[in-house]
Amino acid sequence: DAGITQSPRHKVTETGTPVTLRCHQTENHRYMYWYRQDPGHGLRLIHYSYGVKDTDKGEVSDGYSVSRSKTEDFLLTLESATSSQTSVYFCASSIRGMSNQPQHFGDGTRLSIL
Amino acid sequence: SQELEQSPQSLIVQEGKNLTINCTSSKTLYGLYWYKQKYGEGLIFLMMLQKGGEEKSHEKITAKLDEKKQQSSLHITASQPSHAGIYLCGAAPGNTGKLIFGQGTTLQVKP
Repeated sequence: DAGITQSPRHKVTETGTPVTLRCHQTENHRYMYWYRQDPGHGLRLIHYSYGVKDTDKGEVSDGYSVSRSKTEDFLLTLESATSSQTSVYFCASSIRGMSNQPQHFGDGTRLSIL
Repeated sequence: SQELEQSPQSLIVQEGKNLTINCTSSKTLYGLYWYKQKYGEGLIFLMMLQKGGEEKSHEKITAKLDEKKQQSSLHITASQPSHAGIYLCGAAPGNTGKLIFGQGTTLQVKP
């Protein structure tokens, strides 16, 4: 499996505070993705990146921003966290962004916003 | 927009029994992925299917994509406790890399 590390693994914070989640991959994959997983909604794409400094929105991008300054790092930022953003966040990466390339996932970050 | 529906939502089987999980798409599938997730962990890639009628196997797990490319099944033969977890199907609408997922099927295997 691709070497994907997410940090932190767990975080508890308060409404209104900024939060940054980090994803680091060692496979030199061009594409990286952020998902959130919620009961009743499954996994939903937040943002993805198709190269350094190249990003685009996914299905549920409101309230989130991303940055990718290096191939190996993809950051997800909640500028002002809300309770509705309590979720488990997963990062994934793939060699290319086509449907014939499987995505490989990190172990997730469990984020609780009080 | 494309949607994936998995059935059943949950499944409890006795060890040694066979089982099947289905994934149905509202539109033609360009690529169908099966993942397994254990509680508190990430998704582990199992298999990818692309061609109508395609079938792939890994150990005791077999996945098929029907000829019309709108339904896939995951079959586990002689289930073991290690097979327990959540199985998710994923697809890339419009042949892009932006995956959508089914709701998942939770499998419990009783020793």
